[in-house]
Amino acid sequence: GENVEQHPSTLSVQEGDSAVIKCTYSDSASNYFPWYKQELGKGPQLIIDIRSNVGEKKDQRIAVTLNKTAKHFSLHITETQPEDSAVYFCAASRESGGSNYKLTFGKGTLLTVNP
Amino acid sequence: DSGVTQTPKHLITATGQRVTLRCSPRSGDLSVYWYQQSLDQGLQFLIQYYNGEERAKGNILERFSAQQFPDLHSELNLSSLELGDSALYFCASSVARGRMPGELFFGEGSRLTVL
Repeated sequence: GENVEQHPSTLSVQEGDSAVIKCTYSDSASNYFPWYKQELGKGPQLIIDIRSNVGEKKDQRIAVTLNKTAKHFSLHITETQPEDSAVYFCAASRESGGSNYKLTFGKGTLLTVNP
Repeated sequence: DSGVTQTPKHLITATGQRVTLRCSPRSGDLSVYWYQQSLDQGLQFLIQYYNGEERAKGNILERFSAQQFPDLHSELNLSSLELGDSALYFCASSVARGRMPGELFFGEGSRLTVL
């Protein structure tokens, strides 16, 4: 089955700096890569996703890049703010029939943005 | 608010006992997923139901079972509980139509403590 590795496990940055979180996946058939943000006491929430037919996607201060050849994808947050502090999870899934959507998550990165 | 409701929010029980966790998906969502979150294992996929039928199975123990009812709510049953079952259990739902996966909407979780 799919295996998703995520690094680093913790990341501390100064407000205004950029943060980068990297993930690798094992199943070359995976073609959907979402990122979820989990705030304390809450469930994960989708912040951005990318499909394998594109190499990069951007939404305001958040961007995701995908390298299918190397089987890795990254989350980039620019101009970080204290409210960006949370646990971030990458995930991977493959297209399949029968409404079977098993998402495999990385183990998460605790991002701390220091004011 | 994701629209996914999980009960109970907290549950404390003893080893050997059985508990039931309940999930109401977002209105209109046909697919329900159960995930287990522990500190060392991250988000582990347990099982997925689509419109009442089991569609995907992950690392779900034989002591655990789930079902999705005609009104689309789902229950996760955990029996013969062990200390290691202590974790946060998340339910998520999605529309899950077509061949590509989409956004998962997570509830706030049920925190199970086994003493």
